[in-house]
Amino acid sequence: AQRVTQPEKLLSVFKGAPVELKCNYSYSGSPELFWYVQYSRQRLQLLLRHISRESIKGFTADLNKGETSFHLKKPFAQEEDSAMYYCALSMNSGYSTLTFGKGTMLLVSP
Amino acid sequence: EADIYQTPRYLVIGTGKKITLECSQTMGHDKMYWYQQDPGMELHLIHYSYGVNSTEKGDLSSESTVSRIRTEHFPLTLESARPSHTSQYLCASSEGGLQQAFFGQGTRLTVV
Repeated sequence: AQRVTQPEKLLSVFKGAPVELKCNYSYSGSPELFWYVQYSRQRLQLLLRHISRESIKGFTADLNKGETSFHLKKPFAQEEDSAMYYCALSMNSGYSTLTFGKGTMLLVSP
Repeated sequence: EADIYQTPRYLVIGTGKKITLECSQTMGHDKMYWYQQDPGMELHLIHYSYGVNSTEKGDLSSESTVSRIRTEHFPLTLESARPSHTSQYLCASSEGGLQQAFFGQGTRLTVV
């Protein structure tokens, strides 16, 4: 069965500092990886997906199959980045479901 | 506007009561899901559906039941609520071949 591990429950940084939220997964096949974000009092929403290879709100994430990781990075954190971030995995199949990690709370202080 | 709606947003109910949490989407998606989320914790999949008349149990054992009679509607029912059911319930939907899920605002349930 697939599993997603986010080792940090809380990550606290100062504004302007680099940010890396860690995500490791276990799955024997070819997964599809996502980062979801939940801002205070807002619904959970997609931030980015690995197949898009895009940068959203300054965030990027690279799938490293050798290390089975999908870490989320941003070079300069902003206060508005404070939120709960969830890494999620799906098998590359139309009949699969999303498996989420436990989430990491990012707090960006001024 | 295409969206996914959950009602009620908040519910406080007594032990033993039967409740139904509503979820509707106007996005035309085939797949729908129910996740349970305790505050600051991971999301646990409790039910999902690939389409009309299709329902499956998720990874987390749940005493709830679901139905999918219409594409846009995926209600979740607890026949007899207990304090252990106190949690946030998130409904989501996605297109058949894509894995990106769209979430509703959630229903925060408290059983007293």
